Amino acid sequence: AQSVSQHNHHVILSEAASLELGCNYSYGGTVNLFWYVQYPGQHLQLLLKYFSGDPLVKGIKGFEAEFIKSKFSFNLRKPSVQWSDTAEYFCAVNPYTGRRALTFGSGTRLQVQP
Amino acid sequence: IAGITQAPTSQILAAGRRMTLRCTQDMRHNAMYWYRQDLGLGLRLIHYSNTAGTTGKGEVPDGYSVSRANTDDFPLTLASAVPSQTSVYFCASSDGTSYNEQFFGPGTRLTVL
Repeated sequence: AQSVSQHNHHVILSEAASLELGCNYSYGGTVNLFWYVQYPGQHLQLLLKYFSGDPLVKGIKGFEAEFIKSKFSFNLRKPSVQWSDTAEYFCAVNPYTGRRALTFGSGTRLQVQP
Repeated sequence: IAGITQAPTSQILAAGRRMTLRCTQDMRHNAMYWYRQDLGLGLRLIHYSNTAGTTGKGEVPDGYSVSRANTDDFPLTLASAVPSQTSVYFCASSDGTSYNEQFFGPGTRLTVL
């Protein structure tokens, strides 16, 4: 079965620091890739997505992610984090199967200190 | 209604009781999903429905059942709740295309004692 690994479980950064959160998946076929964000007490919101084309995708709030097919990775980046970026971040994969559901990583809790 | 609504927002339930979590979407999406979120485990798929009238099992279906009588509603039922079902439950929907971007509801926090 496919799996999604997020290696950083808890990240603490100071404001203005750069961010990179790792995401690797195990599925070998064609996939769609997503990053979702969950702010404290809120539901999941889509941050960015990759379906095809340019492997560097830009999302909301200055986030971007790079799809590297050879490494089965889809890492999330932001050049300069803000206190308001404190949240939990989930990587998700949707392989082209009949079930059409997402497989999520275990999440990375980001804490940005002012 | 805008997007996905879930009810109740939170619930404390005695073990052995029956409980139905409600989910309604107004986006006319074909596909709907139920996930549970547990600390350190991310979100895990319980059940899904690709279209009205059909349902399927996800990763963790035991102890749960669903129905999809129409496009908008996708209730999740715990027939006899157990403490291990204490979790936050999220309903989601998508238009069911191969891209499958999913939209999430606000969640239901369920505690089974």
